[in-house]
Amino acid sequence: GENVEQHPSTLSVQEGDSAVIKCTYSDSASNYFPWYKQELGKGPQLIIDIRSNVGEKKDQRIAVTLNKTAKHFSLHITETQPEDSAVYFCAATPGHSNYQLIWGAGTKLIIKP
Amino acid sequence: DTAVSQTPKYLVTQMGNDKSIKCEQNLGHDTMYWYKQDSKKFLKIMFSYNNKELIINETVPNRFSPKSPDKAHLNLHINSLELGDSAVYFCASSPTGDRGNTIYFGEGSWLTVV
Repeated sequence: GENVEQHPSTLSVQEGDSAVIKCTYSDSASNYFPWYKQELGKGPQLIIDIRSNVGEKKDQRIAVTLNKTAKHFSLHITETQPEDSAVYFCAATPGHSNYQLIWGAGTKLIIKP
Repeated sequence: DTAVSQTPKYLVTQMGNDKSIKCEQNLGHDTMYWYKQDSKKFLKIMFSYNNKELIINETVPNRFSPKSPDKAHLNLHINSLELGDSAVYFCASSPTGDRGNTIYFGEGSWLTVV
């Protein structure tokens, strides 16, 4: 079945610098890849997603890139700000299911002032 | 105007007790979920319901029983609570499955079993 690996588990960057979180997946039939942000004490919230027919998607300071051949996708955050501090999760849909997301283990992003 | 609301937010209970967590969504979504998040932040799906019908039932002890009286509600009942059940439980919903649709999470219910 589908497996999603996420790295790093913790990322600390200086405010204003960029942050990159990477995920790999195993099921070549997967075609939807969302990223969720979980702030302390809250539930995860979708911040950006990408479908397999697109290589890159951008929304202001965040972007996601997808390499279908290599089966990996990445989240890029530029000009990081203190409010970007959170846990970020990547996910992928397995090819056999319309109702299930396979989640990465999460990355704790720390923005240093 | 909370989209996905779950109660209680905090629950401390003794081993062996039975407890329930209630969840309601006012988004008109067809699909609802229960997720468990452990202390290491791993998110694990437990159950998924679509229009009150069970779609996904991951490897969860049968002490956990979801109940969906209508498509806006998905409650979680846990029998004979164990220490390992301590976690944060998230209810969530999405329009039609989660392939290509945003999942909306509740704020979580912090369960501590002592």
